[in-house]
Amino acid sequence: KAGVTQTPRYLIKTRGQQVTLSCSPISGHRSVSWYQQTPGQGLQFLFEYFSETQRNKGNFPGRFSGRQFSNSRSEMNVSTLELGDSALYLCASSRQTAQETQYFGPGTRLLVL
Amino acid sequence: SQQGEEDPQALSIQEGENATMNCSYKTSINNLQWYRQNSGRGLVHLILIRSNEREKHSGRLRVTLDTSKKSSSLLITASRAADTASYFCATDRGSARQLTFGSGTQLTVLP
Repeated sequence: KAGVTQTPRYLIKTRGQQVTLSCSPISGHRSVSWYQQTPGQGLQFLFEYFSETQRNKGNFPGRFSGRQFSNSRSEMNVSTLELGDSALYLCASSRQTAQETQYFGPGTRLLVL
Repeated sequence: SQQGEEDPQALSIQEGENATMNCSYKTSINNLQWYRQNSGRGLVHLILIRSNEREKHSGRLRVTLDTSKKSSSLLITASRAADTASYFCATDRGSARQLTFGSGTQLTVLP
């Protein structure tokens, strides 16, 4: 089975711009979660989607949003980028819930200048 | 916020030695998982241990879980240079559909 894929792998944006990141889960996985990783805050949960519905959301401002499509692919969007949004954004998929093994993609490294 | 704290933050050993990393967490959990991350790349799942399990093995990995102490340990036996990576524990609790990660242990295995 193909693993979790994320595109793009690297991205450079400037403050104030917006960005959309994409994640394709493992075939058959319906739950997709997003995490932000920074040196200062570590790995932090952003949100989780299942069957096109957001089931859980972390403590991030409304500039961070996401969605899931009927084929379980997911996108996350960050609007009005700030320097502090520079991070590695990781997507993970699992069959049903986070209470199972989550399989992570390679991540998208976002640099905001 | 991070549920777990890992200890030590950094560990350097010689190839062939065993490496032990510890994870402590704050609230009751359903499961605890261990992940490895190589230099800013994606996380690789290593092992999942359920709250009603005390010990689990996978190849050179041995994980223990002590729910009374809210702690877990990961033992890597006969370490190799390729084991050099950051190791994270992650917990899920209640009905929360999310993982809460520890701060990680940076393991360096010297050839």
